[in-house]
Amino acid sequence: ETGVTQSPTHLIKTRGQQVTLRCSSQSGHNTVSWYQQALGQGPQFIFQYYREEENGRGNFPPRFSGLQVPNYSSELNVNALELDDSALYLCASSIISGGATDTQYFGPGTRLTVL
Amino acid sequence: TQLLEQSPQFLSIQEGENLTVYCNSSSVFSSLQWYRQEPGEGPVLLVTVVTGGEVKKLKRLTFQFGDARKDSSLHITAAQPGDTGLYLCAGERGGGNAGNMLTFGGGTRLMVKP
Repeated sequence: ETGVTQSPTHLIKTRGQQVTLRCSSQSGHNTVSWYQQALGQGPQFIFQYYREEENGRGNFPPRFSGLQVPNYSSELNVNALELDDSALYLCASSIISGGATDTQYFGPGTRLTVL
Repeated sequence: TQLLEQSPQFLSIQEGENLTVYCNSSSVFSSLQWYRQEPGEGPVLLVTVVTGGEVKKLKRLTFQFGDARKDSSLHITAAQPGDTGLYLCAGERGGGNAGNMLTFGGGTRLMVKP
């Protein structure tokens, strides 16, 4: 148990729809990172939020957006869903402090299927 | 395009055999991490290696970081069915307030048959 929770566990959407995925970080962690893991592949970095501001972004289009709120929660929003967005979405929480980065703890993921 | 290449992609062995998984890159990483992921779960950290040439042991698992900090290996001795899973390596560059994004390899799916 990492103390990181994600909801929902599974989700089915159709092309063109919008989706919001949620993550609850470990208490005291100030950083949340989101990753997309397609079937049979390793996770790909989407973006990171540090103290409620975006702190780095991977090679994902603007229709992938997010936010982090002070109560350790974070959201990943995806607009205009495409079939290729079907994947396991993972969030990971960590602490950035004094220039040092602690371990990232992953949640169990949300399995998104786009039909 | 994966900046970290893992090999092999799939490995099916008998209980008791030894195996090595490789993680290679042309990039230098400040640290490299190994994770194990089971179906329906997120990756779980096994070890972090930081220093070039570093070797870490975790029971039957031995992790090595290359001298140039571009590659790593995971060796499992006397594999057991409980070792079955997806093994992922992930490199970290930079850090601190510049972000600590992880670059993952494609994973090695290991199956250990009893």
